[in-house]
Amino acid sequence: AQSVTQPDIHITVSEGASLELRCNYSYGATPYLFWYVQSPGQGLQLLLKYFSGDTLVQGIKGFEAEFKRSQSSFNLRKPSVHWSDAAEYFCAVGPLGGNAGNMLTFGGGTRLMVKP
Amino acid sequence: KAGVTQTPRYLIKTRGQQVTLSCSPISGHRSVSWYQQTPGQGLQFLFEYFSETQRNKGNFPGRFSGRQFSNSRSEMNVSTLELGDSALYLCASSSLGAGDTQYFGPGTRLTVL
Repeated sequence: AQSVTQPDIHITVSEGASLELRCNYSYGATPYLFWYVQSPGQGLQLLLKYFSGDTLVQGIKGFEAEFKRSQSSFNLRKPSVHWSDAAEYFCAVGPLGGNAGNMLTFGGGTRLMVKP
Repeated sequence: KAGVTQTPRYLIKTRGQQVTLSCSPISGHRSVSWYQQTPGQGLQFLFEYFSETQRNKGNFPGRFSGRQFSNSRSEMNVSTLELGDSALYLCASSSLGAGDTQYFGPGTRLTVL
């Protein structure tokens, strides 16, 4: 069965500092990989996704993620955090396609707090 | 394009009642998925509908059901509500089907008293 682990439940960084959120997955093959962000009381907004090709993926709001097959990881990074980045971040994996449909498996989430 | 819309946004029910939540996908999207989000269990997949057919189902009891209409709008129903059903229910839509990006609505916050 597929699974996603986000080892850090909470992370606090200072505004302007760099950020890395960790994500490890367990899957039988290379899955589709996603990062979503959720602000309080809101739905999920897609930051970026990896399907194939270049392992460094650029997303919105200055975020990027790197797929490392050997480590089964898909870590999210941002060089300089803004106060508005405070939110909860979810890593997710999806099936390769065919009849597997669109079932996403999510990690437990990492809550990011930003210090002024 | 308008995003995914969910109605109602907030709902309060009592144990034993039933509830129906509605989701309107992005125009042209044929796949609608439902997820339950709780503090204890996180985000869990309920089911997915594609072209009016249930394509996938998560590990939830039969009290949770859904359907999709010919215009791709979807409803989910929970019968005989339990306190543990209190959650944020999120709907997501996608266009091409398997593996495509899912766009989420704002959710329906269900509180069971």
